Amino acid sequence: GIQVEQSPPDLILQEGANSTLRCNFSDSVNNLQWFHQNPWGQLINLFYIPSGTKQNGRLSATTVATERYSLLYISSSQTTDSGVYFCAVYSGGGADGLTFGKGTHLIIQP
Amino acid sequence: NAGVTQTPKFRILKIGQSMTLQCTQDMNHNYMYWYRQDPGMGLKLIYYSVGAGITDKGEVPNGYNVSRSTTEDFPLRLELAAPSQTSVYFCASSSNPNTEAFFGQGTRLTVV
Repeated sequence: GIQVEQSPPDLILQEGANSTLRCNFSDSVNNLQWFHQNPWGQLINLFYIPSGTKQNGRLSATTVATERYSLLYISSSQTTDSGVYFCAVYSGGGADGLTFGKGTHLIIQP
Repeated sequence: NAGVTQTPKFRILKIGQSMTLQCTQDMNHNYMYWYRQDPGMGLKLIYYSVGAGITDKGEVPNGYNVSRSTTEDFPLRLELAAPSQTSVYFCASSSNPNTEAFFGQGTRLTVV
């Protein structure tokens, strides 16, 4: 099946810093989503972005489908941005569900 | 808007006990999914359904059963709980696998 690798695995930043999270995938995808898992365990939908660029406030994402990667940008980080960020993809083969990466654990210090 | 609702939020089971995790969605989505998340890991697909009466196995189906009698509901059954099933379980739904999936709040299950 498709492989999803996220980097870095851990990231510690000061409040106000910018960050870039990366998601590499091993096959073409029909669906790519970014999620934020907050400290209470909830999965929050950030972006549905199988290709192109989207922005939502301080967050933006870009997927370059032909090169099989996606980037999540977080600007002017706040402590509430802390948590785990997951990339998940669907390639159209095998089981009809998302394949998740292992996540990037982000800690924003005040 | 309720979206995807899971119950219970927390549960402790003894080895060998059975339980059903409930999941319901109000978005009229055809596809529904059950995932489990082990500590420090991403989510893994247990079972999925493409519509009422149709279910299929995901990556980690052993020890679980599902049914889909209505579009709205997709319960997950654990028949003989084992410590290896200690995990956080998420239910999700989407119109189809190519569209955005929405997740419930999760059920934290501990088997002792």
